[in-house]
Amino acid sequence: GDSVTQMEGPVTLSEEAFLTINCTYTATGYPSLFWYVQYPGEGLQLLLKATKADDKGSNKGFEATYRKETTSFHLEKGSVQVSDSAVYFCALNNQGGKLIFGQGTELSVKP
Amino acid sequence: EAQVTQNPRYLITVTGKKLTVTCSQNMNHEYMSWYRQDPGLGLRQIYYSMNVEATDKGDVPEGYKVSRKEKRNFPLILESPSPNQTSLYFCASGLAEAYEQYFGPGTRLTVT
Repeated sequence: GDSVTQMEGPVTLSEEAFLTINCTYTATGYPSLFWYVQYPGEGLQLLLKATKADDKGSNKGFEATYRKETTSFHLEKGSVQVSDSAVYFCALNNQGGKLIFGQGTELSVKP
Repeated sequence: EAQVTQNPRYLITVTGKKLTVTCSQNMNHEYMSWYRQDPGLGLRQIYYSMNVEATDKGDVPEGYKVSRKEKRNFPLILESPSPNQTSLYFCASGLAEAYEQYFGPGTRLTVT
């Protein structure tokens, strides 16, 4: 079945460092791909999405490119802030319904 | 404000005592879903609904029931809760064709 694999956390960075969180997927067909963010004590918020190969999703300085050839959707940000500390989830949707999530990657940004 | 609301946000109950967690969305979304989040297991889908009177099982439906009598509401029912249903529950909604989903704030349930 479809699945999503994320790099394990926690990831600890200093403020203004470059962030990459790896995400790869296994799916038949052409899924839509998402990154969600969960701040402490809150629900999941959609961060960005890409619906077809080579699409780049971007929001709040974060970017991810849908790479079908490598089945990847890595999340990047050029300069992280303390306020970016959260858990990040990569997810796919292949059937117009169920979201399949990765395990989540906890990011901690230190001043 | 467009949102998904859940009630209650926190609930402590005892084994076997029936409970309902409500979910409501004001975005006129066709699709609604329930997920549970557990440490080390990520988020897993419990039930989903593609529209009114159309519900289906997700990955972990055992011990749960749902109903979709109105478009905006999608309650999660635990007829006889057990300790292994202690978890953080999220309701989500979305347009059926958009594939993205919007999440409620979560309900932390503890079953003793």
